[in-house]
Amino acid sequence: SQQGEEDPQALSIQEGENATMNCSYKTSINNLQWYRQNSGRGLVHLILIRSNEREKHSGRLRVTLDTSKKSSSLLITASRAADTASYFCAHPTSNFGNEKLTFGTGTRLTIIP
Amino acid sequence: KAGVTQTPRYLIKTRGQQVTLSCSPISGHRSVSWYQQTPGQGLQFLFEYFSETQRNKGNFPGRFSGRQFSNSRSEMNVSTLELGDSALYLCASSLESRWFHEQFFGPGTRLTVL
Repeated sequence: SQQGEEDPQALSIQEGENATMNCSYKTSINNLQWYRQNSGRGLVHLILIRSNEREKHSGRLRVTLDTSKKSSSLLITASRAADTASYFCAHPTSNFGNEKLTFGTGTRLTIIP
Repeated sequence: KAGVTQTPRYLIKTRGQQVTLSCSPISGHRSVSWYQQTPGQGLQFLFEYFSETQRNKGNFPGRFSGRQFSNSRSEMNVSTLELGDSALYLCASSLESRWFHEQFFGPGTRLTVL
């Protein structure tokens, strides 16, 4: 399976603390994307980092990419209760010309007020 | 700009029936992708349509099919439903057909097969 993995599977932290999630993937990539999903709803795109970028920021989000280790991390600083959600990494994969976006297994983040 | 809409939001069917789900992309987006999400398998790619043509396909049986209309609206159909088809079905739209752009997801259709 080309599906990447994320760790931890679940994370609970106090409001105001920082949360770090990691994503590992198996193939070479053009870009890696992070999405958030609130309980049973659609996904919301957070950030896209290209393979030639090492770090990217968006508000309280910081994403890093290490293509040599085939891994990425998402850092959420100063967490809020509204950050409670599942977070997924995703990257394009190609198989004999058939392309798709492959999602990781996700990290369920719970922010404790 | 209106987001991606999916109808219906909830659906209950019995084994052996068929079902059609609908997705309206963001205005101007020509790529529509479909995903199945289950607790066991996670998010799995079904297929992607661009300008009324299926461009990419995941590893699902032929019971799963789709189409896209000239206004970019898309439908997916599942025939001969099985219990394992119970899932959240998500569609996403994007400006283009390559995975270099963010995907905008709809709220999903929750399908329950009894």
